[in-house]
Amino acid sequence: DAKTTQPPSMDCAEGRAANLPCNHSTISGNEYVYWYRQIHSQGPQYIIHGLKNNETNEMASLIITEDRKSSTLILPHATLRDTAVYYCIVRPPTNAGGTSYGKLTFGQGTILTVHP
Amino acid sequence: DAGVIQSPRHEVTEMGQEVTLRCKPISGHDYLFWYRQTMMRGLELLIYFNNNVPIDDSGMPEDRFSAKMPNASFSTLKIQPSEPRDSAVYFCASSPTPRSQYFGPGTRLTVL
Repeated sequence: DAKTTQPPSMDCAEGRAANLPCNHSTISGNEYVYWYRQIHSQGPQYIIHGLKNNETNEMASLIITEDRKSSTLILPHATLRDTAVYYCIVRPPTNAGGTSYGKLTFGQGTILTVHP
Repeated sequence: DAGVIQSPRHEVTEMGQEVTLRCKPISGHDYLFWYRQTMMRGLELLIYFNNNVPIDDSGMPEDRFSAKMPNASFSTLKIQPSEPRDSAVYFCASSPTPRSQYFGPGTRLTVL
C-alpha cells in the first residue's frame, strides 16, 4: 500500500479555510485518495475521496496534484466542531471480481485544532 | 437511519474472561469491518465480511480472537481468553459498496 505523510498537527482560526496537506509519492495509478476524520471519542467519519480530478462535496474539497503525489483537503470555513484528527489514506482498488475490498490503512493523521 | 450500532459501549472485564462485542450494521450494507484502536498502534483493521462471508482476517491478532456474521444484520467479535493488552476501542463499520465506510461509536474494552 502507498504510504502517506501528514503533518502531526495544525491550527486554524474559526471561519478561515483549513488546508491539510498529504504526501503520497508512491501512489500507483489506480489507487484512490481518501480522507476521514475522527472527532474525540467518536468513530472515524468519511469526508471525501478522489482519483485524479479535484472533488468537492458539502463537507470539503479535495485537490490532487497532477502527478498525484500529493493532495490537500480544504475545509472552506472551519468551525470549532471541525477540531479532529484527519486521516489521509491511499486505498487500493477492489479486484475485478468485486469480492476483495481495498483496505483502508489509517496512519497517525493530522490533529487539526480550530480556535476561536 | 440509526447508523451502525455497537454494544456494549463500555466493557470492563478481568483477564481470562470471555468478551463478546456486538455490531448491527446499517441495513442494506453488504460490507462489515471490525477495527481496533490503541494509542500505540492507531486504528487497525482486524477482519471484514462481504455478504456475511469473512473475506480477510489477516489483521486478527491471534487465535484468541474470532468474528462471526450469522446474518446480514448482526456480527460479533469474541475474545477468549482476554488479556490486558487487548484493552482498546473496538469499532465496527459497514459499507454499501467498496467506498466510504460508516463507523459505529465504538466499544471501549478494558481488561484488568
